[in-house]
Amino acid sequence: AQKVTQAQTEISVVEKEDVTLDCVYETRDTTYYLFWYKQPPSGELVFLIRRNSFDEQNEISGRYSWNFQKSTSSFNFTITASQVVDSAVYFCALSVFTGGGNKLTFGTGTQLKVEL
Amino acid sequence: EAGVTQFPSHSVIEKGQTVTLRCDPISGHDNLYWYRRVMGKEIKFLLHFVKESKQDESGMPNNRFLAERTGGTYSTLKVQPAELEDSGVYFCASSRRTSGSKDEQYFGPGTRLTVT
Repeated sequence: AQKVTQAQTEISVVEKEDVTLDCVYETRDTTYYLFWYKQPPSGELVFLIRRNSFDEQNEISGRYSWNFQKSTSSFNFTITASQVVDSAVYFCALSVFTGGGNKLTFGTGTQLKVEL
Repeated sequence: EAGVTQFPSHSVIEKGQTVTLRCDPISGHDNLYWYRRVMGKEIKFLLHFVKESKQDESGMPNNRFLAERTGGTYSTLKVQPAELEDSGVYFCASSRRTSGSKDEQYFGPGTRLTVT
């Protein structure tokens, strides 16, 4: 069975601070994908990134960066110079192909509040 | 290209009543998934369609939930009779048919269901 743990329930930062959201996953499969989704106050889930288990290169996209470490089963997400618009719930998710589909296993989410 | 749409956005019903949620996936997407987030917990998988066929319904809570996808286009999720614990946000997602766990799922805005 798959499991995703986001230990941080809520984080509050002041604008322009850097913030890291933690994600730890469990799976026995060697082939899997990891995702981050953002849920702004409007409610929809916005796809941010997908990473496969064979690619441990860190990725940077603007102010966003992701650190994937298989040795610690972690896929952490850092926002540099946070802005108020980054306030949202962020979900980490894991996908394993079971032959019957690619259902996502989500963590409980981290509520990020960025204040002025 | 239109995104995944869900209707209604909100629904408030009394215990024992019936509610039907609808999801229109992105055109051309064979995969359609239903997920649910209950009371601030993690988002949990309910079921997966490939076209009109149920590929995986292992996440359906009980037989009060019935999902259909006639013709392989839109899908409905009926809850009958609704119970208090069914309250939550129901998300629909769709993706193109791909092999492996690379599947990138696009989520709708969700339907918030409140059972009183």
